[in-house]
Amino acid sequence: QKEVEQDPGPLSVPEGAIVSLNCTYSNSAFQYFMWYRQYSRKGPELLMYTYSSGNKEDGRFTAQVDKSSKYISLFIRDSQPSDSATYLCATPDPNSGYALNFGKGTSLLVTP
Amino acid sequence: NAGVMQNPRHLVRRRGQEARLRCSPMKGHSHVYWYRQLPEEGLKFMVYLQKENIIDESGMPKERFSAEFPKEGPSILRIQQVVRGDSAAYFCATKTGGTYEQYFGPGTRLTVT
Repeated sequence: QKEVEQDPGPLSVPEGAIVSLNCTYSNSAFQYFMWYRQYSRKGPELLMYTYSSGNKEDGRFTAQVDKSSKYISLFIRDSQPSDSATYLCATPDPNSGYALNFGKGTSLLVTP
Repeated sequence: NAGVMQNPRHLVRRRGQEARLRCSPMKGHSHVYWYRQLPEEGLKFMVYLQKENIIDESGMPKERFSAEFPKEGPSILRIQQVVRGDSAAYFCATKTGGTYEQYFGPGTRLTVT
């Protein structure tokens, strides 16, 4: 079983829609969760990080963690064509110097 | 405030040649991680270094691959005798000692012909 699972999509939504991106993880030792955005042929860009269960909001983005079900989500409100990218969830692995375990990424396309 | 820098951005090597990939951390960052991204496979951890030390290389192939982070200068990922399967995007990410958040460079795209 992979440490972090993520539906690869692709996910296509109209501009203005609310987007929900999800990951599950298997190791309950994971305590810290991150979302990265990666545009085509670019490096991943850190979007948000959260330490505890609950919600964290930053502008149009909300990160949610449910440790009881090992489920993490990223919501994007009022989605824009510029949000079209691959979104990666990640969690630091305490067994490898906190190297990041990544999901495979979900490809999102927001159409005008 | 300069971000993480990687060079070259694109590298073409023939089978059997050596590839050297360089990573200059963000200012104030002393921890360097190298990742490889293959199509359909996502980002995979290779090696974690601090200045002059390899901390964890559990994700690195045992042969042909090596990494260093000298006291002065960038971190270097070296691939000897490259094969076509080494073609991928290689990213480094850096962080400070007191945090978990890693910041990525733009990557080096290696093509082996």
